[in-house]
Amino acid sequence: QKEVEQNSGPLSVPEGAIASLNCTYSDRVSQSFFWYRQYSGKSPELIMSIYSNGDKEDGRFTAQLNKASQYVSLLIRDSQPSDSATYLCAVNPNTGNQFYFGTGTSLTVIP
Amino acid sequence: EPEVTQTPSHQVTQMGQEVILRCVPISNHLYFYWYRQILGQKVEFLVSFYNNEISEKSEIFDDQFSVERPDGSNFTLKIRSTKLEDSAMYFCASREGQGGPPLHFGNGTRLTVT
Repeated sequence: QKEVEQNSGPLSVPEGAIASLNCTYSDRVSQSFFWYRQYSGKSPELIMSIYSNGDKEDGRFTAQLNKASQYVSLLIRDSQPSDSATYLCAVNPNTGNQFYFGTGTSLTVIP
Repeated sequence: EPEVTQTPSHQVTQMGQEVILRCVPISNHLYFYWYRQILGQKVEFLVSFYNNEISEKSEIFDDQFSVERPDGSNFTLKIRSTKLEDSAMYFCASREGQGGPPLHFGNGTRLTVT
């Protein structure tokens, strides 16, 4: 069973702060990692993809991957109230088509 | 930007009835998926479809479920005899290829079984 674990939260940060979201996964052969944002009642929306160890930055978002520790994180700088959502970590092993999702971390940005 | 479209957005049906959920994946994508999300729970994999056949399916995807790509654009999920516990949001997703590209989700169909 391939597991993806996230802190369910809720995580609350003040507006302008850095939000840090964490994810661990069990399958060592996993190669592709994704962060999705899901607003209540809506579908998951892709924020970041990361495939190599290290950091990947896109605007206010930075994804960090450490395959040795089987750990992927998402940092949101200058958090805005509109960032309040559930953030889903997803992992895709190179073997097989299935994406494995964590339970999601609920983030609230307080104005 | 191309997107995955799903219809209907909300479907109400009685227990024991058949429902068909419809999806139009992004046109150049090769892999198609159905996921479901029961209210307040995680996104759960149902089935993946490639080259006109099922490539993977989960334990949830039992004999009550079937998928079809009846033409070059539509991808459908059929539930033959709905149960109360089938009430959930059903998401269709597609991806361009294997080994890296992300999933792109449709807006979902909320299925309510009464």
